Amino acid sequence: GENVEQHPSTLSVQEGDSAVIKCTYSDSASNYFPWYKQELGKRPQLIIDIRSNVGEKKDQRIAVTLNKTAKHFSLHITETQPEDSAVYFCAARVGSGGYNKLIFGAGTRLAVHP
Amino acid sequence: EPEVTQTPSHQVTQMGQEVILRCVPISNHLYFYWYRQILGQKVEFLVSFYNNEISEKSEIFDDQFSVERPDGSNFTLKIRSTKLEDSAMYFCASSDLRGETQTGRLMKEQYFGPGTRLTVT
Repeated sequence: GENVEQHPSTLSVQEGDSAVIKCTYSDSASNYFPWYKQELGKRPQLIIDIRSNVGEKKDQRIAVTLNKTAKHFSLHITETQPEDSAVYFCAARVGSGGYNKLIFGAGTRLAVHP
Repeated sequence: EPEVTQTPSHQVTQMGQEVILRCVPISNHLYFYWYRQILGQKVEFLVSFYNNEISEKSEIFDDQFSVERPDGSNFTLKIRSTKLEDSAMYFCASSDLRGETQTGRLMKEQYFGPGTRLTVT
């Protein structure tokens, strides 16, 4: 069935280090992969996304890579800062014929220590 | 920047009662969604809605759930007879394109509202 696996579930890094979160998806027809950042008690906020016709996308300290063959996509945060601490969710758009539901991974709790 | 809004922010109800969660999507958006997030768990898709009808619904969205767009601005989720396991954060989302078309137009992101925390006692 439709599924997105996300690893690790928790990630602890020192300020300035890099953080990498990995996801795999099951539906080979998925063509859009957003990443959301969720701070405690707040809404998920889109931080970066990638379409299936692109292998990599970068926005300042954040980058996302996509390997369609392996059905993997990853989030890379460089030069982490304490304010990067949050739960990060990957997602994959699933369906065809115009349906546009997002299937989310289980989330990664990132802690950046000063 | 326009935002999706939701009311109330927190709803406490007794088991068996009906609740209506309200959302105001971004005004020029055409596609609307409800998701839920049980405390500490992942965000789960409930239902998508377009052109005044449900496009798709998940297994969670059973007969106790319904959605409606009663006017030009509101989008509601009703739970007819709440159960303890309905306690969760409910997020409304909206987007202005449903997906890539055959011409290759890019899909727009889904914008999430701040959520309604539903507590069923």
